[in-house]
Amino acid sequence: QKEVEQDPGPLSVPEGAIVSLNCTYSNSAFQYFMWYRQYSRKGPELLMYTYSSGNKEDGRFTAQVDKSSKYISLFIRDSQPSDSATYLCAMSWGSSGSARQLTFGSGTQLTVLP
Amino acid sequence: NAGVTQTPKFRILKIGQSMTLQCTQDMNHNYMYWYRQDPGMGLKLIYYSVGAGITDKGEVPNGYNVSRSTTEDFPLRLELAAPSQTSVYFCASSYGVRGDEQYFGPGTRLTVT
Repeated sequence: QKEVEQDPGPLSVPEGAIVSLNCTYSNSAFQYFMWYRQYSRKGPELLMYTYSSGNKEDGRFTAQVDKSSKYISLFIRDSQPSDSATYLCAMSWGSSGSARQLTFGSGTQLTVLP
Repeated sequence: NAGVTQTPKFRILKIGQSMTLQCTQDMNHNYMYWYRQDPGMGLKLIYYSVGAGITDKGEVPNGYNVSRSTTEDFPLRLELAAPSQTSVYFCASSYGVRGDEQYFGPGTRLTVT
């Protein structure tokens, strides 16, 4: 069993739709949860960062963490064609100020159709 | 700021050849990382460094070596290339309490035939 499971998709939605991306994990030591966005043939870039359970909102993006279920989600409202990318969840544990070994999901490929 | 830069962008190696992937960051970050990304497999950590002169193994270090003589540079060495090392390699950096906020380079696409 992988430490982090993510549905690879591909996921295709019409412009304006609400998108839900999810990851499950098995290691209860994970404390920090991230979503990275990766455009084709580019490096990943950090989109959202959360610590512990709860919701965090940033514009059209909402990250949700449920540590009791070991489940994290990323919601995209009013999706745009420019949101078409691969979305990678990532997790880590360790003390603040340390170099972090991130464990990544395999990524979900999203296409938003105009 | 250029951020994290990697060279070369593409490379084809024959089995048994060696090469060095270059990585430079201009953000004065103390932490640097090397990942490989295989199709459908996410990113796997190869090596990381917490500062000049200090390196440590990640999840998949076999067949690779690193060094960190300066804050800016973190080269990755492949000795005796094998087809299993065909992948896209990403270098990343981060700093201080924001260790999770890793800034990635554009990647090097390596094919070993």
